[in-house]
Amino acid sequence: SQQGEEDPQALSIQEGENATMNCSYKTSINNLQWYRQNSGRGLVHLILIRSNEREKHSGRLRVTLDTSKKSSSLLITASRAADTASYFCARGGGGSYIPTFGRGTSLIVHP
Amino acid sequence: GAGVSQSPSNKVTEKGKDVELRCDPISGHTALYWYRQSLGQGLEFLIYFQGNSAPDKSGLPSDRFSAERTGGSVSTLTIQRTQQEDSAVYLCASSLGADRADYGYTFGSGTRLTVV
Repeated sequence: SQQGEEDPQALSIQEGENATMNCSYKTSINNLQWYRQNSGRGLVHLILIRSNEREKHSGRLRVTLDTSKKSSSLLITASRAADTASYFCARGGGGSYIPTFGRGTSLIVHP
Repeated sequence: GAGVSQSPSNKVTEKGKDVELRCDPISGHTALYWYRQSLGQGLEFLIYFQGNSAPDKSGLPSDRFSAERTGGSVSTLTIQRTQQEDSAVYLCASSLGADRADYGYTFGSGTRLTVV
């Protein structure tokens, strides 16, 4: 399996601030994906970055990937209370068809 | 359908009873995954189906757990003789296929199972 481990485990910020969370992994990948989970229910796919990409943007989300360090970061700019959720990373490809997830980063954005 | 559908959304059962959880993936998605998530934990992989290939059952925690996928579409996860430690949210996800690694996974809203 291909683990993604998120850090920090918890993050508390004020509305308007930026939130940065990190993901590390151990083996090769074809891509890395970030997901959001509200209230312990289904995960929502946010963004996918391929192994040959270094940075990707989607609205207020910015994802970077450093394959030499086997790490990725997710930046949420100008956070809103509605961004409060848990965020998970998962790796795709690289020899395994089974994405695995860590415990996620729990983000709380205070209004 | 437009998304991955799971039913029931909530299930309360007595210890020792059998339960069946259903997942209806997105039409055309050949890969289907089952995960479970205990409170405050990450997702624990259970089983993976890809097309007509034999499923990868390596994540099933005990022989009380089984799953099938009929006609390459709907999947049912069965837990026999439920125990309290089986209480969790069971999540299903589908994707275009294991070889389509450039696409993400679409998750259902999950079934919250409570064993009392």
